[in-house]
Amino acid sequence: AQKVTQAQTEISVVEKEDVTLDCVYETRDTTYYLFWYKQPPSGELVFLIRRNSFDEQNEISGRYSWNFQKSTSSFNFTITASQVVDSAVYFCALRPASGGSYIPTFGRGTSLIVHP
Amino acid sequence: DVKVTQSSRYLVKRTGEKVFLECVQDMDHENMFWYRQDPGLGLRLIYFSYDVKMKEKGDIPEGYSVSREKKERFSLILESASTNQTSMYLCASSPTGQPYEQYFGPGTRLTVT
Repeated sequence: AQKVTQAQTEISVVEKEDVTLDCVYETRDTTYYLFWYKQPPSGELVFLIRRNSFDEQNEISGRYSWNFQKSTSSFNFTITASQVVDSAVYFCALRPASGGSYIPTFGRGTSLIVHP
Repeated sequence: DVKVTQSSRYLVKRTGEKVFLECVQDMDHENMFWYRQDPGLGLRLIYFSYDVKMKEKGDIPEGYSVSREKKERFSLILESASTNQTSMYLCASSPTGQPYEQYFGPGTRLTVT
């Protein structure tokens, strides 16, 4: 069985602060994919990043960066110099890469509030 | 760009009514999903479909049914709406192969009174 835990229910920061959203997962699969999605107040989940279990390289995209550590089963997401537009609910998800199951497991989400 | 559309953004129905939520995707994806989202509970999978006329129950199928007569369209049906089905409903689609991620519609906020 798969499980994704986002222990932080809500995080509140002031603009320009750095913030890290935690994601810890459990799986018996040897190959899998990890995802982050952003859900702004408008409601539509937007895909941010996919990482496969073979690739532990960290990734940076502008103010966003992701730290994948297989040894600790974590895939954390950092926003540098946060902005009000970053306010959203962020979901981490896990999906097996093989075995026929393509159903992702989502964490419960972390609500990020960035105050001006 | 992949587009997933849902028939309504907001919907208000009465208890006992039959409710249809429609979802259409334009990227020829094999897989389609219906989730409901409630505060503190995250996304919960109601049903999914991996092909036309094929459907599988998710984690919370009770009180719901689905229909997929065409590849691009996946409908969620509430046979007799109840107040505990007041929620945000999200539709998603994904290919079986790469790139694997799901594409979501804007959601339908359903209120049952």
